[in-house]
Amino acid sequence: DVKVTQSSRYLVKRTGEKVFLECVQDMDHENMFWYRQDPGLGLRLIYFSYDVKMKEKGDIPEGYSVSREKKERFSLILESASTNQTSMYLCASSFLRYEQYFGPGTRLTVT
Amino acid sequence: RKEVEQDPGPFNVPEGATVAFNCTYSNSASQSFFWYRQDCRKEPKLLMSVYSSGNEDGRFTAQLNRASQYISLLIRDSKLSDSATYLCVVTNSGYALNFGKGTSLLVTP
Repeated sequence: DVKVTQSSRYLVKRTGEKVFLECVQDMDHENMFWYRQDPGLGLRLIYFSYDVKMKEKGDIPEGYSVSREKKERFSLILESASTNQTSMYLCASSFLRYEQYFGPGTRLTVT
Repeated sequence: RKEVEQDPGPFNVPEGATVAFNCTYSNSASQSFFWYRQDCRKEPKLLMSVYSSGNEDGRFTAQLNRASQYISLLIRDSKLSDSATYLCVVTNSGYALNFGKGTSLLVTP
């Protein structure tokens, strides 16, 4: 059974803090993704990675960066958190263009 | 124009009813199509893929109409446990999925 885990379910940070969200998958998937989900806006792709050390911008990369040093781990970094980055963050992984498996999500609040 | 559009609902239906959702997509070169299900405060999970010939999985039937650029999901004999948000998903040439905003379904006793 595919398992995608995220480092925290709930996180509260202050404006200006650097925030790290970690995602780990155990299925040896090449592709990993970071989304944010907001009411009325749906799921929006922030960044994705199709190989170690490779990354591609999604629809809303501003204010975010990512790191993929190992195949199983994909990190999302908020360099200087702002209140408009309060959201649910979902990580996913997939093999090629097949089904994406999602982690349970991290609900981030920036105060 | 958003690439994938869905009626947000909510669709309120009684148990046992048949309900159908449609989803339109704007990119005629789209290659793969899926329906995902998302329960409240949970992550999305694949419900079914949508093939050109249509496909059925128990009470669920998915159809693709490439000429009109829409996909549909039909749920027969609705159960209380079908209450969820249904996300229409389309892929183009890359690896990223394009999600619709979702259609909310509430099945009532």
